[in-house]
Amino acid sequence: GAVVSQHPSRVICKSGTSVKIECRSLDFQATTMFWYRQFPKQSLMLMATSNEGSKATYEQGVEKDKFLINHASLTLSTLTVTSAHPEDSSFYICSASHSGDRSYGYTFGSGTRLTVV
Amino acid sequence: DAKTTQPPSMDCAEGRAANLPCNHSTISGNEYVYWYRQIHSQGPQYIIHGLKNNETNEMASLIITEDRKSSTLILPHATLRDTAVYYCIVRSSNTGNQFYFGTGTSLTVIP
Repeated sequence: GAVVSQHPSRVICKSGTSVKIECRSLDFQATTMFWYRQFPKQSLMLMATSNEGSKATYEQGVEKDKFLINHASLTLSTLTVTSAHPEDSSFYICSASHSGDRSYGYTFGSGTRLTVV
Repeated sequence: DAKTTQPPSMDCAEGRAANLPCNHSTISGNEYVYWYRQIHSQGPQYIIHGLKNNETNEMASLIITEDRKSSTLILPHATLRDTAVYYCIVRSSNTGNQFYFGTGTSLTVIP
């Protein structure tokens, strides 16, 4: 089946530094990927839609200059958290569609636990 | 933007069927209903999806009402490993086709 790999699974960084999270579709091409954030005991919140070869579309309230998204190829999207602060500590999850058929759902990565100290 | 309503929590005895309801009264004609589950600190796992017919796979069954305003996910023989948060999602019909997650149902399977 379709597999989405996310790396790293865990990262700890110092306040003020930047962190890059990678999301790869291993056995399929994904023209669109999605990035979510999840705080403890809460649901997943969609942050942005990443489109290959074009600018990402951000959800209302998500700072595009803070959460940089690059989708340079059909198998890789990256999320960079710039100038991270403790309040950015969260579980970040990506997903991708493995078919052009819109009836198909999305495959999710295993998530990245970011801790900013 | 979530367009579904689910009970926040449910319990189910191990070996019994778990029936998880979802209300999606504003669903439009071309929108699919998807079910995912999330085990603690993992990414969501696909379970099943449907448009208007009932569906069954190796994991679960999906029953969609005739008016499509609600659905029920059925885990026929719940095991302890089925303890998770279950999300019912109606896929956005706009050009982005995003998934917006609601609060989900936290299912606890009791030994």
